[in-house]
Amino acid sequence: EAGVTQSPTHLIKTRGQQATLRCSPISGHTSVYWYQQALGLGLQFLLWYDEGEERNRGNFPPRFSGRQFPNYSSELNVNALELEDSALYLCASSARGGFGTGELFFGEGSRLTVL
Amino acid sequence: GENVEQHPSTLSVQEGDSAVIKCTYSDSASNYFPWYKQELGKRPQLIIDIRSNVGEKKDQRIAVTLNKTAKHFSLHITETQPEDSAVYFCAASSFYDMRFGAGTRLTVKP
Repeated sequence: EAGVTQSPTHLIKTRGQQATLRCSPISGHTSVYWYQQALGLGLQFLLWYDEGEERNRGNFPPRFSGRQFPNYSSELNVNALELEDSALYLCASSARGGFGTGELFFGEGSRLTVL
Repeated sequence: GENVEQHPSTLSVQEGDSAVIKCTYSDSASNYFPWYKQELGKRPQLIIDIRSNVGEKKDQRIAVTLNKTAKHFSLHITETQPEDSAVYFCAASSFYDMRFGAGTRLTVKP
């Protein structure tokens, strides 16, 4: 069974540009979660999508947004990039919607570098 | 959701010794507490979890304890091996939110 897949693996942008990151959950999983992993800061919760709807978001500005498609894959968009947006962006999925309902399965991440 | 504090940030032990990592949380709605292990360059993977109606859970060399009154929980690894070297993250979760600690880098010296 294929795990959570993310693309691109690496992305380099300049300040002010926009970045789009993509995630495909494990087959049958309907919930997708996005986390930012900046150096030394652990995993910071960004967004949770379930059944095509945004269910919750973390303490990030509105320029971080996303969506979930009918096939449950998801896209994270970061507008007006700032240097501090440089981080590893991790996507995870779960078999049932909601945190605490079971294991989060993580992808290998997309590393975004903002110059 | 609110913050999760994790200590220590780095931990170095000799092979065969025990390792203990401690976390505290502040959100009273938290009822699920997983621990994830992230090896260098790899994805985080669940190693053990505990729910709020349980005080302790053990899986071979790994155990987790939870004190819901004090809002703290701990990971215990016994008989450590070099392959236990990784970054360990605790998390506290309610239905709508999962907050992670900043991580503990564990090094097991052979």
